[in-house]
Amino acid sequence: GDSVTQMEGPVTLSEEAFLTINCTYTATGYPSLFWYVQYPGEGLQLLLKATKADDKGSNKGFEATYRKETTSFHLEKGSVQVSDSAVYFCALIMQAGTALIFGKGTTLSVSS
Amino acid sequence: DSGVTQTPKHLITATGQRVTLRCSPRSGDLSVYWYQQSLDQGLQFLIQYYNGEERAKGNILERFSAQQFPDLHSELNLSSLELGDSALYFCASSVALGTGADEQYFGPGTRLTVT
Repeated sequence: GDSVTQMEGPVTLSEEAFLTINCTYTATGYPSLFWYVQYPGEGLQLLLKATKADDKGSNKGFEATYRKETTSFHLEKGSVQVSDSAVYFCALIMQAGTALIFGKGTTLSVSS
Repeated sequence: DSGVTQTPKHLITATGQRVTLRCSPRSGDLSVYWYQQSLDQGLQFLIQYYNGEERAKGNILERFSAQQFPDLHSELNLSSLELGDSALYFCASSVALGTGADEQYFGPGTRLTVT
């Protein structure tokens, strides 16, 4: 079935370091792809999304590009801040589907 | 603040009991979704309602049921609770059916602990 695989965490970085969190997907069709972020004690917030191949989603300095050839949607940020410490989830929705399918989440911890 | 509200925030109950979780979607949103987040299973879709009707079903146990009322709020009923039902239950809402890129807005969750 359709699924999302993301890199195991935790990821520990110093402030201003470069961030990459890998995400790959398996899908029978052409899904829309999402990154959600969960701050401690809160619900999930949509960080960015891409709906078709080669689309780049971006928000708050984070970027991810929908790569159909490698079935990937890696999350990147050029310079992380302590406030970026959270759990990041990669997810997909199939075109005719309505349920988000999530990866297991990657915990990011940024220290000053 | 996503505009989706969930009550209660925390719930502690015993095995075999029944609980009801409540969700109010964002104003104007017709779809409500329920997700379960547990340590071993991760985030899993349970069920979706659209304008009062069940729209999609995921890995929802038979002991669990949900409904969406005319005012569009939704309730998730969990019965014959087991220790393994302890989890964070999220509600999300979207404007329409949720296909493709229709964004889902998540509530803060209800943490259920079964003892």
